[in-house]
Amino acid sequence: EVQLVQSGGGLVKPGESLRLSCAGSGFSRLRFTDYYLTWVRQAPGKGLEWVGHIKNKADGLTTEYAAPVKGRFIISKDESTDTLFLQMTSLRSEDTAVYYCITEYFYYFLHWGQGALVTVSS
Amino acid sequence: QSVLTQPPSVSGAPGQRVTISCTGSSSNIGASFHVHWYQQVPGTAPKLLIFDNNNRPSGVPDRFSGSKSGTSASLAITGLQAEDEADYYCQSYDRSLTASVFGSGTKVTVL
Repeated sequence: EVQLVQSGGGLVKPGESLRLSCAGSGFSRLRFTDYYLTWVRQAPGKGLEWVGHIKNKADGLTTEYAAPVKGRFIISKDESTDTLFLQMTSLRSEDTAVYYCITEYFYYFLHWGQGALVTVSS
Repeated sequence: QSVLTQPPSVSGAPGQRVTISCTGSSSNIGASFHVHWYQQVPGTAPKLLIFDNNNRPSGVPDRFSGSKSGTSASLAITGLQAEDEADYYCQSYDRSLTASVFGSGTKVTVL
């Protein structure tokens, strides 16, 4: 059974940094890192917002980000441990949300992590 | 403000049919990008319900169906059940934003 297990959420002050992790396991037909790996967030009581993704090796391992986080967030992965990361810097109150890691397949979001709550507050 | 527009809520009695619309533009749904649908039970992660406009992943009941036409798409739930009470989101890709985009979400209530 495919599992994406997230860790690293918490309470931080504005301007601080935080790193989220997402460990993939149980993949058979395609490896975890064969997918594009994506982060989506959901502010409290709000809808879903795409944060960004890292492409697979076949497509150059490039990253793309949503405008609100570009230049502040970095997505990376460790293929040796099947782990995805989201490094968040210069955090703002509007970054408060549950962050989900996801495997992306041809533009749709197939497997989802359980979510990690990030709260940015002084 | 979401790029894709959905009604905030729809409701129906058990056994009835409800539909949820998802309206986009010429830079996303109208640009021939597929539409996908997710179901989110409060307090849990979203789950893929429909992919590529009208395909169901393994395990999703055939009560759920999707369609797309022009710059809009729809999700239909037939034979509504109490367990279908959840939030539903549409999603596509926007070539102007070069980003995946979501609808604003629709809360389905089973009366």
